[in-house]
Amino acid sequence: GQNIDQPTEMTATEGAIVQINCTYQTSGFNGLFWYQQHAGEAPTFLSYNVLDGLEEKGRFSSFLSRSKGYSYLLLKELQMKDSASYLCAVMNDYKLSFGAGTTVTVRA
Amino acid sequence: DTGVSQNPRHKITKRGQNVTFRCDPISEHNRLYWYRQTLGQGPEFLTYFQNEAQLEKSRLLSDRFSAERPKGSFSTLEIQRTEQGDSAMYLCASSLADRVGEQYFGPGTRLTVT
Repeated sequence: GQNIDQPTEMTATEGAIVQINCTYQTSGFNGLFWYQQHAGEAPTFLSYNVLDGLEEKGRFSSFLSRSKGYSYLLLKELQMKDSASYLCAVMNDYKLSFGAGTTVTVRA
Repeated sequence: DTGVSQNPRHKITKRGQNVTFRCDPISEHNRLYWYRQTLGQGPEFLTYFQNEAQLEKSRLLSDRFSAERPKGSFSTLEIQRTEQGDSAMYLCASSLADRVGEQYFGPGTRLTVT
């Protein structure tokens, strides 16, 4: 089975940095993916990690430690438009299992 | 617009009725996925196709649910004898076969069963 945990909510100030943690216990692993979902909209792909380490993509970075079953998404220089739900997803048998998502609220 | 499209966007139906949703994926994507999402949860995998072949169906999916992708392009998801518990957002996504984690989602069909 799949068990993917991430915090329910986080609040941060515009211009700040926020780190969203994700821990997982899955029967198989082919990669860890992060998606962003604005309220009422479809998820959009942000980043992925297959190997351990940090992947940087503009203001967003994602880290993976396979031995610890742990990933984080780092959002830098927060903007109001970053207020959204961030979904951690594990790929296993070439399909995605999603966590419940972390709602990030950016305050002015 | 060359993204994933879904129709209808909203569907209200009475318990016991059948409903059918349509998904048109990105044209060059050979994989197509169906998910269900309820409030406060992430998308839950239902089934997926590679071209016209349905390769996997979630064990959570009851026999009332059926999906097709007859020509390897658009797909339909049918729910027979709807129940109130079927009320959810039904999301379709597509991807290339060698980039299955990078999925492109459609806007979803919101189903309300009264």
